[in-house]
Formats: sequence, structure tokens, C-alpha cells
Amino acid sequence: DQQVKQNSPSLSVQEGRISILNCDYTNSMFDYFLWYKKYPAEGPTFLISISSIKDKNEDGRFTVFLNKSAKHLSLHIVPSQPGDSAVYFCAASALKSSGDKLTFGTGTRLAVRP
Amino acid sequence: DAGVIQSPRHEVTEMGQEVTLRCKPISGHDYLFWYRQTMMRGLELLIYFNNNVPIDDSGMPEDRFSAKMPNASFSTLKIQPSEPRDSAVYFCASSPASLRGETQYFGPGTRLLVL
Repeated sequence: DQQVKQNSPSLSVQEGRISILNCDYTNSMFDYFLWYKKYPAEGPTFLISISSIKDKNEDGRFTVFLNKSAKHLSLHIVPSQPGDSAVYFCAASALKSSGDKLTFGTGTRLAVRP
Repeated sequence: DAGVIQSPRHEVTEMGQEVTLRCKPISGHDYLFWYRQTMMRGLELLIYFNNNVPIDDSGMPEDRFSAKMPNASFSTLKIQPSEPRDSAVYFCASSPASLRGETQYFGPGTRLLVL
């Protein structure tokens, strides 16, 4: 069963607008969440993370929001730029029980139109 | 540093053949991970090593899969015999001293196609 779900396989956004990528999880033991960005023919690279003790973490144009009661997190990119076009993976870990192993979603392909 | 190096970058083989994927982690990194990416399941952790010792192989799908790390600078993932459902992109990642996701550096991946 997929414990981390990214239900939108793709998203297209106009340059300068906001991109919102969503992620849902089912395992209530997850307490740390990360987003990765992946360009074609490259490996994923870490983008931003959030601990379950927070509901928001911001890093420049990237903000991650966490709604624990809904088991939902989202990544906001404002403003979106063509260079943001990539596949974005959501990942989660249960620091206290599974020793930090990451569980990934299936990814969302973001296309930012100039 | 050259980053995590994987070879080959692409592999096409026929069902039943043995496939060996190779990884050179970043020098000084104590952790090495093997992941598999498919459209249906996303990125899945197959196995990870700490100081060359396999710690958790619960993600290895079947006995056809095996991984070794004979020294700190080299690891292999072997599939024998290969099947079409093994077609995927296989990533190796390394981390300096932690399992934490922020510190995992991924290689470019090996795209495997089993016919």
C-alpha cells in the first residue's frame, strides 16, 4: 500500500504564478516530511523539510505547509519560474520508530510555462 | 567531489539475464542507499548500508535481488535472473553520517529495461 500519495501526476502553471503541489500520507507515525526535486537524467535533490512540531516552513520562494489532522502537506512555489519545471517527490519518515528511513510518493511533474 | 557515481547509466537486457548495477558513493560518507523508481510506486528504498554493513534489506523485492558493499567506495546491486517487471530507474544515494533525508545525495541513476 502506498503510505505517501501524490495524487496529481502532473501540474502546469504560468510563470510568475503560484504552484501548489500536494501530498497525503496514511501512516500516523510519520513525523518528518521532505520535498525533493528531480530533473531529467539526474537524481533527486533535497529541497525543503518540515517537522511535525511545525505547520509551516519557508525557504525563499518555497514554503511547505503541514496539516497533521488531515495528514496532508503541500509545497508552494511563489513565484514559479521555468527553471522550477521538474518532478517533485514528497517523502516522509518516522524518526522515532523506523530509524529515519524515507518513504516516497510517486511524484508530481511540474511544468512552468514562460 | 564528483558526487555519487553510478554505472551503467542505461542497461537493456533480456529476461533471465543477470544484471549488475554499480555505485561509488561520495568519499567519507558512511551510509549508502539503493532505491528503485517506478511510475506506479515512486521511489522505494531497497536496502541501505552503514559502514559497509547491510542494515535493512526489507525493501528488497525478492531473492532475485542482492546487494553488496565490499568496501567503503563501492557497492553493487545484482538482479539474477532479471524479469521485465524489474524495469525501472535504480538510484544509489550516500549520506555522511545519518539516515536523514536532507543529507542524502543521489546519483544520476541507472535506467534498466528488461525485455
